[in-house]
Amino acid sequence: NAGVTQTPKFRVLKTGQSMTLLCAQDMNHEYMYWYRQDPGMGLRLIHYSVGEGTTAKGEVPDGYNVSRLKKQNFLLGLESAAPSQTSVYFCASSYTRQTAYGYTFGSGTRLTVV
Amino acid sequence: DQQVKQNSPSLSVQEGRISILNCDYTNSMFDYFLWYKKYPAEGPTFLISISSIKDKNEDGRFTVFLNKSAKHLSLHIVPSQPGDSAVYFCAASGDTGNQFYFGTGTSLTVIP
Repeated sequence: NAGVTQTPKFRVLKTGQSMTLLCAQDMNHEYMYWYRQDPGMGLRLIHYSVGEGTTAKGEVPDGYNVSRLKKQNFLLGLESAAPSQTSVYFCASSYTRQTAYGYTFGSGTRLTVV
Repeated sequence: DQQVKQNSPSLSVQEGRISILNCDYTNSMFDYFLWYKKYPAEGPTFLISISSIKDKNEDGRFTVFLNKSAKHLSLHIVPSQPGDSAVYFCAASGDTGNQFYFGTGTSLTVIP
């Protein structure tokens, strides 16, 4: 099925460990985004990409890095995980920035940092 | 500071009645607005959008109203169905920005 696939779906990390979250889309979308969802905070943009090889910071980029080496993939990295990064992470993609059809979201990655 | 606010964390409505979900924003440069619906353990799915050149947009049972002077939008669901029970997020963006700002969500429960 066409859409956005996130891996893994769940992960528990110890403080200081590193990990990479993978987002893959098969809709040939130019734009890709990483959001985090926390209770009472809505979804906040971490980083985004407007095309292969380009990335930019969103609202809450500290502690995260991203890469978009291939158009269909957008990776989110945590170099040294902290408990404050416990959250649900959503990847999304879109054909254009302001689209009448919104973004297509993945099903999320639930990350717990202990 | 939240630029998009949904002040009602939850709402309960009887099946068949109207559900009205509200959203306020502070940035007058926002000119495009979306509503998303989210079920537990799933990602948000797009529901309906409206641009600032309109004050109303309809799609079946869903209608979004935009009041630019009040910086307020609302989502009406008529008639409400049990399958509409979900968390609803509004989101807004401006012409010069590269992101949508999301509200904190309203959890709708439709009682059969």
